[in-house]
Amino acid sequence: DAKTTQPNSMESNEEEPVHLPCNHSTISGTDYIHWYRQLPSQGPEYVIHGLTSNVNNRMASLAIAEDRKSSTLILHRATLRDAAVYYCILTGTGFQKLVFGTGTRLLVSP
Amino acid sequence: NAGVTQTPKFQVLKTGQSMTLQCAQDMNHEYMSWYRQDPGMGLRLIHYSVGAGITDQGEVPNGYNVSRSTTEDFPLRLLSAAPSQTSVYFCASSYSGGRRNTEAFFGQGTRLTVV
Repeated sequence: DAKTTQPNSMESNEEEPVHLPCNHSTISGTDYIHWYRQLPSQGPEYVIHGLTSNVNNRMASLAIAEDRKSSTLILHRATLRDAAVYYCILTGTGFQKLVFGTGTRLLVSP
Repeated sequence: NAGVTQTPKFQVLKTGQSMTLQCAQDMNHEYMSWYRQDPGMGLRLIHYSVGAGITDQGEVPNGYNVSRSTTEDFPLRLLSAAPSQTSVYFCASSYSGGRRNTEAFFGQGTRLTVV
């Protein structure tokens, strides 16, 4: 399985944008880039995913590098509720054996 | 639409006891799976199912059994509980999507302590 590399932790202030990076230099042409987050004492929650083009949804934006070896999850205005561990995961089609690393712990200050 | 429901939320077992963790989803998803999360670590896949009657092993299957008799339910059985199985267990489901790539939905977890 292709691996991803994320910083252990990042800090942000409330209402500021947050850019969470992820490196995936061994990504294959058919791998999708998924982001999940896990709030304290909760199960993981889907955030966004993409293949080649940048993607936007109500929660976040996903910017994918042209060579697809890295991506960035963008939270446009961080809130205290966005404090969580964010996981960048590569998946294929069919059943996805989600491989969770240790993710990036995002701390949001008021 | 309740999503993925796990019961119980908390459980304490004695070493050697057996029990079943329940997982049910109401989204008609073909794929279901069980993960465990140890303190400070990411989730690891225990078992998964791609449809009723079909199951397979994940990364850490030893000590656990599963079956999938219906689309909705995917119980996880601990055969003889050991302290090393103390963990938080998450059930997930997802739509097969054909060739589409789809997201997984997770339950709220079962916190299991084996003493």
